[in-house]
Amino acid sequence: ETGVTQTPRHLVMGMTNKKSLKCEQHLGHNAMYWYKQSAKKPLELMFVYSLEERVENNSVPSRFSPECPNSSHLFLHLHTLQPEDSALYLCASSQAVLTSGRTGREQFFGPGTRLTVL
Amino acid sequence: AQKITQTQPGMFVQEKEAVTLDCTYDTSDQSYGLFWYKQPSSGEMIFLIYQGSYDEQNATEGRYSLNFQKARKSANLVISASQLGDSAMYFCAMRTYLGTASKLTFGTGTRLQVTL
Repeated sequence: ETGVTQTPRHLVMGMTNKKSLKCEQHLGHNAMYWYKQSAKKPLELMFVYSLEERVENNSVPSRFSPECPNSSHLFLHLHTLQPEDSALYLCASSQAVLTSGRTGREQFFGPGTRLTVL
Repeated sequence: AQKITQTQPGMFVQEKEAVTLDCTYDTSDQSYGLFWYKQPSSGEMIFLIYQGSYDEQNATEGRYSLNFQKARKSANLVISASQLGDSAMYFCAMRTYLGTASKLTFGTGTRLQVTL
C-alpha cells in the first residue's frame, strides 16, 4: 500500500448504529487530519492530530469521536449520526513542522469514505 | 480568519487550449501558503501546485502554473494544453499553522469540463 488509504470506501448506516472509519498513511508523516465534504460546501476541517496529540477540534459534535493510536493510523468513530452527516469524509496526512523552517508541506489525501446516514 | 473565494462554479475549455481558474483569498497573516488540489469523480484530492507567500516567482509544475498577485490577493491556476483527463473539480486552499500541524481552508471549488 502506498500513500493514504481509507476504509471502508462506502458506508451506509442507520441513525442508531455505531461504526468506525479508518485511515492509514504510508508516507512517514506525523500529522493527520479528518475533513468533511458535504454537497455544495467547502471542505471543513474536523480534527487535527500532530505527533499523536489532538491539536484541533473544530466545533465538531460529540457524535464524532477521533482516535489516533499512532502516527500512521487515524480513526473516526461514529454513533447516533443524523442524516445531515451524510458526506464524503476525507483523511489527510502531512509532515509536522518540527523546526522554525516552515516550507511548503502539502497535505496528502486519501480517497475518502462516502457515508450515507439513513 | 482565512477565507478563500472561487467565483467560477463551472468552466468549459476545449482540448489543447489553456484555462485560468480564479482564486482570491483573505488573511491577515504575513506567512501563508496557497495550494491547488484536483478532485476527480473518484473523490481523492490530488495536490497540484504550491505557492508560498514569500516566493518571488510564480510556481510552475508541468502544465500547471500559479499566477500569484500578492497585492491583489489572488492565486489563479493556469492549466496549459488541457486534456480530457483534466476534467474534475479544482480547489484552491490556504494553509495556516496550528502549532506543529497545518490547517487548510478551502474554497467552494470550480468544476472544469474539457471538451473535444
